Amino acid sequence: DADVTQTPRNRITKTGKRIMLECSQTKGHDRMYWYRQDPGLGLRLIYYSFDVKDINKGEISDGYSVSRQAQAKFSLSLESAIPNQTALYFCATSDELAGNYNEQFFGPGTRLTVL
Amino acid sequence: GQNIDQPTEMTATEGAIVQINCTYQTSGFNGLFWYQQHAGEAPTFLSYNVLDGLEEKGRFSSFLSRSKGYSYLLLKELQMKDSASYLCAVVYNNNDMRFGAGTRLTVKP
Repeated sequence: DADVTQTPRNRITKTGKRIMLECSQTKGHDRMYWYRQDPGLGLRLIYYSFDVKDINKGEISDGYSVSRQAQAKFSLSLESAIPNQTALYFCATSDELAGNYNEQFFGPGTRLTVL
Repeated sequence: GQNIDQPTEMTATEGAIVQINCTYQTSGFNGLFWYQQHAGEAPTFLSYNVLDGLEEKGRFSSFLSRSKGYSYLLLKELQMKDSASYLCAVVYNNNDMRFGAGTRLTVKP
């Protein structure tokens, strides 16, 4: 079984719709992250969480919100989707105990298309 | 900002050696990762450098010079399966990891 899972894997939606992307992990890591990836721009951090009570904005948080429901679950919401949010979204986890060795383990990605 | 620069694309021949460079802003540096990403898949960890010098792991090696804000990933004995994007990622100020845009490597027979 995969350590980091994302649902859905693919989603097509319309402008203005509310969308939730979910991430679950069985690695027991405290830290979780949401990134989006666009061609030519690499991975950009949207939000991250270091434990259930901790939520932090990343580089590009506008238009997104997150919820850390439990240590193992971190969901990303688009309250009112717009076409420029079309991208590949990755969830990742890392181990707080690793300190600066912040190796991140990525989920398989969710391809979101906003029409 | 923490501009992380790497070439957009590279091409090399099967069996050859290729070096992918990465430059970054040095202020707040805490470590550097290289990840491999095949098209449509998740990035996977290749290497980590925090001290100056070369880290070798099989066919892959990674080098770091902190004073120059420079790293490279060296791939030896290239195989067709090495065709992928290679992402340079820098950890700043303990918590903030920034990714470069990635280098798409094509290995030709």
